[in-house]
Amino acid sequence: LAKTTQPISMDSYEGQEVNITCSHNNIATNDYITWYQQFPSQGPRFIIQGYKTKVTNEVASLFIPADRKSSTLSLPRVSLSDTAVYYCLVGDRGDMRFGAGTRLTVKP
Amino acid sequence: EPEVTQTPSHQVTQMGQEVILRCVPISNHLYFYWYRQILGQKVEFLVSFYNNEISEKSEIFDDQFSVERPDGSNFTLKIRSTKLEDSAMYFCASSEGGQNYGYTFGSGTRLTVV
Repeated sequence: LAKTTQPISMDSYEGQEVNITCSHNNIATNDYITWYQQFPSQGPRFIIQGYKTKVTNEVASLFIPADRKSSTLSLPRVSLSDTAVYYCLVGDRGDMRFGAGTRLTVKP
Repeated sequence: EPEVTQTPSHQVTQMGQEVILRCVPISNHLYFYWYRQILGQKVEFLVSFYNNEISEKSEIFDDQFSVERPDGSNFTLKIRSTKLEDSAMYFCASSEGGQNYGYTFGSGTRLTVV
């Protein structure tokens, strides 16, 4: 399983764009990159998934360079309600492992 | 939007007792998972289940744990003899096609062992 590395925490202000980068140097050919969001006392929530280049949905964008050794989750114009832990997962098997994630704090 | 439903939301049990945590995955999903999260710690993988059998399990998922899909809709996690360190939030998840489709998680069962 590819190991992922993310910043432990990030701070931002309302209305700003937030970019969270995850490194996964030993990503395998079949691996997808998936990001989840978790609020306290709730289950993780799927945000976005990609394999290469750029993926965008109504919530976020995911940028993946050609070598796929990293990925960046981009949250446009964050609000206070985006304060949460964000996890980057990489793999293609049935035992997806969560790391410590990035604790994003959005300030007014 | 389809949801994964978990019951109960909170269960308190005495050490040594058996508990069964219940989950109703999304109806057209084929892959099922259990994770747990001890307070303040990361989400830990326990087990994945596909085609009526365990496909992967972690080192946490020892002989005290078992999973079952007793009918076409429920997916259960049983802990045979609970220990204090089993106290955690337990999350069930399901997926349409495995990891590459993303998982939908339930809201969890908070298990407190006293």
